[in-house]
Amino acid sequence: DAGITQSPRYKITETGRQVTLMCHQTWSHSYMFWYRQDLGHGLRLIYYSAAADITDKGEVPDGYVVSRSKTENFPLTLESATRSQTSVYFCASRRGAGEKLFFGSGTQLSVL
Amino acid sequence: TQLLEQSPQFLSIQEGENLTVYCNSSSVFSSLQWYRQEPGEGPVLLVTVVTGGEVKKLKRLTFQFGDARKDSSLHITAAQPGDTGLYLCAGGRGNNDMRFGAGTRLTVKP
Repeated sequence: DAGITQSPRYKITETGRQVTLMCHQTWSHSYMFWYRQDLGHGLRLIYYSAAADITDKGEVPDGYVVSRSKTENFPLTLESATRSQTSVYFCASRRGAGEKLFFGSGTQLSVL
Repeated sequence: TQLLEQSPQFLSIQEGENLTVYCNSSSVFSSLQWYRQEPGEGPVLLVTVVTGGEVKKLKRLTFQFGDARKDSSLHITAAQPGDTGLYLCAGGRGNNDMRFGAGTRLTVKP
């Protein structure tokens, strides 16, 4: 049961480079989310999408760009990576408002 | 400053012991969720509570939502090594505004 998959699992990049993290879900869930997880901060919402072609900012959107041309995909792009963006990134999805949230296994990103 | 404060941050106990972890806030939430996260994986939802004073049980885990809907607790009876993990609480303030605490990292030693 693939469900929601993220790629790559690990990524090392340099400051200033553009990086795209991929997220794919097989459930046709309407809602998709991107979180980052850092020690001492828990999970913080970066961007979310309520449906294809609808995206909105979360708590910490600066430095990130998202798109959702298809329901099943929700890529997250770091336009010019900075060291402060070193983190573990989680994608999540849910069928509707207030329903159960399903998380991917995460992408560990290191910006050197 | 975390909107949701979880305590303790770390907890190490022996198999068979009981424990309680807490999730506190000065804000009111429409719902509160508890997740468990294992190393290298994403969080997995354990329970959602929506009514002030609500108590839910999931086998040896008991979840309570405070009367004022600002806090919650998770009690584990007779902890087992399989309970080891990071426990996260998350408060809902609208359809897409879910705020997470930093978590309690629980280790249960055999």
